[in-house]
Amino acid sequence: QVQLQESGPGLVKPSETLSLTCTVSGGSISSHYWTWIRQPPGGGLEWIGHVYYSGSTNYNPSLKSRVTISLDSSKNQVSLRLSSVSAADTAVYYCARLELGIRAFEIWGQGTMVTVSS
Amino acid sequence: SYVLTQPPSVSVAPGQTATITCAGNNIGRKSVHWYQQKPGQAPVLVVYDDTDRPSGIPERFSGSNAGSTATLTISRVEAGDEADYYCQVWDSRSDLYVFGTGAKVTVL
Repeated sequence: QVQLQESGPGLVKPSETLSLTCTVSGGSISSHYWTWIRQPPGGGLEWIGHVYYSGSTNYNPSLKSRVTISLDSSKNQVSLRLSSVSAADTAVYYCARLELGIRAFEIWGQGTMVTVSS
Repeated sequence: SYVLTQPPSVSVAPGQTATITCAGNNIGRKSVHWYQQKPGQAPVLVVYDDTDRPSGIPERFSGSNAGSTATLTISRVEAGDEADYYCQVWDSRSDLYVFGTGAKVTVL
């Protein structure tokens, strides 16, 4: 069965770039949309954006100027880069697979906590 | 942008029925999905396309959607159902994915 595992630094300084990787195991990265979703402490879920295996992307307009989502098929990995971070970007970041047929997130990683602080 | 509003909290006694609402403009015209999130865990899809359940989800979880409100119903509530529940839709007009504000279900 497909499993997702997020990884990356747990602490990022303000104004720097947050970089996370999602490793997909148990299945191919092809023919699916791969999504990043975040959740601030005590808060709700926010869709950040997604990438299709072809490389096409779609981002939340509220983050679009700072976000890049990409994938590396050879490594079965999806990456997130968020630039110019501030304390407001402190959150648990989840990688998820979007089931395009139903437009729902059927498989999620366990999430990784990222704190923005000097 | 499209907004989904849920009650912050829902309390229910064991064995009773919990009803969680998700309000949005003409939400009845959209497909609504529901996620359960227990503390410290990732969300889990419990209902998709308004009424369908992924494999492994108990029949106690059911959904409906009409007009301006979608509803997740949990029958015969158990202590293990205590969690946060989020609704979600795809807004085709903006091609964005929107989550509800979340509802915390407390089993008394």
